[in-house]
Amino acid sequence: DGGITQSPKYLFRKEGQNVTLSCEQNLNHDAMYWYRQDPGQGLRLIYYSQIVNDFQKGDIAEGYSVSREKKESFPLTVTSAQKNPTAFYLCALRGGTGPGELFFGEGSRLTVL
Amino acid sequence: GQSLEQPSEVTAVEGAIVQINCTYQTSGFYGLSWYQQHDGGAPTFLSYNALDGLEETGRFSSFLSRSDSYGYLLLQELQMKDSASYFCAVRAGDTDKLIFGTGTRLQVFP
Repeated sequence: DGGITQSPKYLFRKEGQNVTLSCEQNLNHDAMYWYRQDPGQGLRLIYYSQIVNDFQKGDIAEGYSVSREKKESFPLTVTSAQKNPTAFYLCALRGGTGPGELFFGEGSRLTVL
Repeated sequence: GQSLEQPSEVTAVEGAIVQINCTYQTSGFYGLSWYQQHDGGAPTFLSYNALDGLEETGRFSSFLSRSDSYGYLLLQELQMKDSASYFCAVRAGDTDKLIFGTGTRLQVFP
């Protein structure tokens, strides 16, 4: 089954704990992205990676970290330094038909108690 | 920096036509995209305009005017399933960053 897979779909954590969200793809695409969405809001870019072993900060990178050791995988860690981590996290790939097209995973909903 | 403006909410009835506008400010423009997101779901790609003019894909059309830094999404023959949030997005300069607007919530009534 081809596509982009995020896990877990729902995650509950206590305040002060780091959590890692998984994003895996088997479409052999280079560019991958992490966005955050708060209720009733747009998508804000956290980090993106254009190639293995390289990634760039987005607009709201503080309190987050990523790695890109393999083309297939782009995990996001929400650290204890992130002040308001409760949100819907979306991973995406840049589509093959053009620079404006992203394919999104189903998202991970993180709730910090 | 980059910024995009969209109306927060639009309402319409089934069978009608609705236009969702998007104005943008960006340093270096490479194209305007549109996405649809149903409640609880992930955004899905609808269209991308790099050049001025109208692009039609079935009931949905997207328009771009680069000189006015403006675009719109036109939805025709509205159906209940079109009730969703719609986001415009721009590519930020000569990078792979895609910046999204805050979204327009469309409610379609019977």
